[in-house]
Amino acid sequence: DTAVSQTPKYLVTQMGNDKSIKCEQNLGHDTMYWYKQDSKKFLKIMFSYNNKELIINETVPNRFSPKSPDKAHLNLHINSLELGDSAVYFCASSRFSGSTGNEQFFGPGTRLTVL
Amino acid sequence: AQSVSQHNHHVILSEAASLELGCNYSYGGTVNLFWYVQYPGQHLQLLLKYFSGDPLVKGIKGFEAEFIKSKFSFNLRKPSVQWSDTAEYFCAVTPKAAGNKLTFGGGTRVLVKP
Repeated sequence: DTAVSQTPKYLVTQMGNDKSIKCEQNLGHDTMYWYKQDSKKFLKIMFSYNNKELIINETVPNRFSPKSPDKAHLNLHINSLELGDSAVYFCASSRFSGSTGNEQFFGPGTRLTVL
Repeated sequence: AQSVSQHNHHVILSEAASLELGCNYSYGGTVNLFWYVQYPGQHLQLLLKYFSGDPLVKGIKGFEAEFIKSKFSFNLRKPSVQWSDTAEYFCAVTPKAAGNKLTFGGGTRVLVKP
């Protein structure tokens, strides 16, 4: 059973298009995240939702819009794709940690290539 | 804001050699610390974590890490590596005051030659 799953695994698209990536977790966690890993493997958090509420919103272009329909799902919609958006996008989930900290479980990643 | 630096970008070693990867963080308060591993073509997996208590923590696959508070360091070690340890290793930190915000280091690519 896959704990954190993402679709699609690969996404190749043209500049200017709009695309979505979906994420689902079956771990019963209440917090989900999106990370971007660039070509140099540098990982940076983009967004985090706790119980469908946005709790982390890093400096990300407005073209990126996360949506969490329920605790188990967090989708990422990207408008007007640019070349620089090419990266691997990882979804993750955890229990909400507050001040205690919790392990985050990562999905397999979605490799986005913008041509 | 916190930051994490990993000193080695690439490490090449032979099987049975010992491995030590450096990790230093910058943050004024107390933190939780993690090491994640990313095998080729796979997602990130947790190797080990430190929240409190014994500063020497043991993780999966024979890895361990030591938290030295005075040096703001959390170095990863393995006494004898195997070819299957070839992977990218990431150190990460969250402030205890904001336990969800995970900040990663730049990663260290480890290649173990058979």
